[in-house]
Parts: sequence; C-alpha cells; structure tokens
Amino acid sequence: NAGVTQTPKFQVLKTGQSMTLQCAQDMNHEYMSWYRQDPGMGLRLIHYSVGAGITDQGEVPNGYNVSRSTTEDFPLRLLSAAPSQTSVYFCASRIEGATNTIYFGEGSWLTVV
Amino acid sequence: AQSVSQHNHHVILSEAASLELGCNYSYGGTVNLFWYVQYPGQHLQLLLKYFSGDPLVKGIKGFEAEFIKSKFSFNLRKPSVQWSDTAEYFCAVIITSSGSARQLTFGSGTQLTVLP
Repeated sequence: NAGVTQTPKFQVLKTGQSMTLQCAQDMNHEYMSWYRQDPGMGLRLIHYSVGAGITDQGEVPNGYNVSRSTTEDFPLRLLSAAPSQTSVYFCASRIEGATNTIYFGEGSWLTVV
Repeated sequence: AQSVSQHNHHVILSEAASLELGCNYSYGGTVNLFWYVQYPGQHLQLLLKYFSGDPLVKGIKGFEAEFIKSKFSFNLRKPSVQWSDTAEYFCAVIITSSGSARQLTFGSGTQLTVLP
C-alpha cells in the first residue's frame, strides 16, 4: 500500500547512544516532516524538507539532524540521545499544492534511559 | 508565528452525549484547518478538513466542524458520542497565504473519554 513508512516502531536507547529513525514515502511528495508528540504538548515540528537536498528547522530541532538525499527518504538522526528525547515520533509527507492533505506514518515510540 | 489553542485538555462524556471540542487559531490570513484523531496506540488519522467554501464541514464517523472566521475558531462536534470515540483529538492549521513553506501547526490535543 502506498503511504508513509516509519521504522523502527519501538526502540529503547541508552543515554548518549545514536540512532536513526527511518521514514520513506512512495507518493512522490515534495514536502516531508518530522514531529514529536509529548503529553499535553501536541505535535511539535522538529525538521522539515520541501524537496531533495533542502531541509530546515522546525520548532524543536535541537538534538536532531536530518537529510534529504532522495525524494522518498527523510531520516531523522539522534546523535547523542538524551532522556528528554523520549517521545513518539511521527513522519509526515504531503504535496505542496491546493489540497494540503498530509499523510502520517504510524509513529515510532522511542525511550531513552 | 501562528498558534493553535485547544482549551479542553480532557473531556469526559457518557455515551449518547453531544460533543463539542474547541479550537482557536491565531492568524488573520487564509488558513486550511484540520481535525485529527489518535486512537490509543495508533497513528494520527484525518477526521475532516476545511479549505474553502461551506464553513460547515462533515467528516468521518459522524463528526463535523464549523469554521467561524470572525472568531478564528474551528470547533469539532458530534451529536451523539460512542464509547469507540475515546481518543485524543488534535486541531491543526496550515497558513496558506504565506509565500514560504507552510507548516502544519498542531494544538496540544484534547483527550476524550466516553463512558459506556
């Protein structure tokens, strides 16, 4: 099925470890983004990309890196995980256009101990 | 920057009660508005969206929302809730009149608990 695929779904990290959350979409969407969801705070934008080779910071970018080498993939990297990064992460994609319909991945539950 | 406010953090209703969840946004230009639902342990699903035209929009599962531009509001309603509506509900906004990449901004969410 077409859509946004995120991996892994669950991950436990130790403080200081690094990891990459993968996100891929097969809908040829220009726009991709990463959000984190924390209780009482809704979803907050971490980083986004408007096309291959272009990325920019969102509301809470510190501690995260992204790259967009292809249209399909938008990985999110935690270089040195901290307990404050324990959260649920959602990748999303959409076409820049009139519909503005956003497709979300199923989420990645990350715990940093 | 735009912001989205959902004033009700937790709403508890009995089955068959009517529901109204508030959503206000803080931008005076042209916006697209969304309501998403997240069932326990699941990802976000789109309930309904408003882009233009009739300010009363109908979504899935009997939900509807009314866009009132003068009040900067987009409240979600359902005449009779069911136990299966227990979930967290998020209002979201995209500003469409900006020339730069348009960000989807979420409210903090409202947890709805429906008692059987």
